[in-house]
Amino acid sequence: EAQVTQNPRYLITVTGKKLTVTCSQNMNHEYMSWYRQDPGLGLRQIYYSMNVEVTDKGDVPEGYKVSRKEKRNFPLILESPSPNQTSLYFCASRRGDRLNTEAFFGQGTRLTVV
Amino acid sequence: AQSVAQPEDQVNVAEGNPLTVKCTYSVSGNPYLFWYVQYPNRGLQFLLKYITGDNLVKGSYGFEAEFNKSQTSFHLKKPSALVSDSALYFCAVRDTSSGSARQLTFGSGTQLTVLP
Repeated sequence: EAQVTQNPRYLITVTGKKLTVTCSQNMNHEYMSWYRQDPGLGLRQIYYSMNVEVTDKGDVPEGYKVSRKEKRNFPLILESPSPNQTSLYFCASRRGDRLNTEAFFGQGTRLTVV
Repeated sequence: AQSVAQPEDQVNVAEGNPLTVKCTYSVSGNPYLFWYVQYPNRGLQFLLKYITGDNLVKGSYGFEAEFNKSQTSFHLKKPSALVSDSALYFCAVRDTSSGSARQLTFGSGTQLTVLP
């Protein structure tokens, strides 16, 4: 089954404690991205990657890091989480060869930073 | 810069009635437009997209959307709503002419509630 898998689904952590949210896709997609969803703001892109070792900032990259060492994986790293990073996070992937392809989304990770 | 507006945070409709969820967009060039649906505790699911050609696009679960270039709109419609259509709906746009053409910009979402 084609899917994007995020882990964990739920996470409560304390301010300053480094964490990683994993994302993996099994569709051989070139393009992967991370979004955060906040009430009234829709989804905002954090980082994206057009292929292995190619990453770039989205609209709200501050406080986040990413890496793309393998095509299937695109982890999101919070080096020093703060309460304003409490949010619902989604990883997405799509074929990168055309701009008209739709994205496939993971189930989401609900992060709470206290 | 590309942007999307969903002017209604909440839309309520009775089961069996037609529904419309509104979306307007702003791009420099030509748009690729998408609708996604989010059910509680789930990720976003693709419903339909407009790339080019026929202005009326048909998608999953009986939904359709009409692209109107002069009004820069891409409203989502369904002739007869079901209670199971209740969900959060997102419109998204990709500007094909900008340097950030690979980015997808989302609206703020519209909560659709279908009343039995």
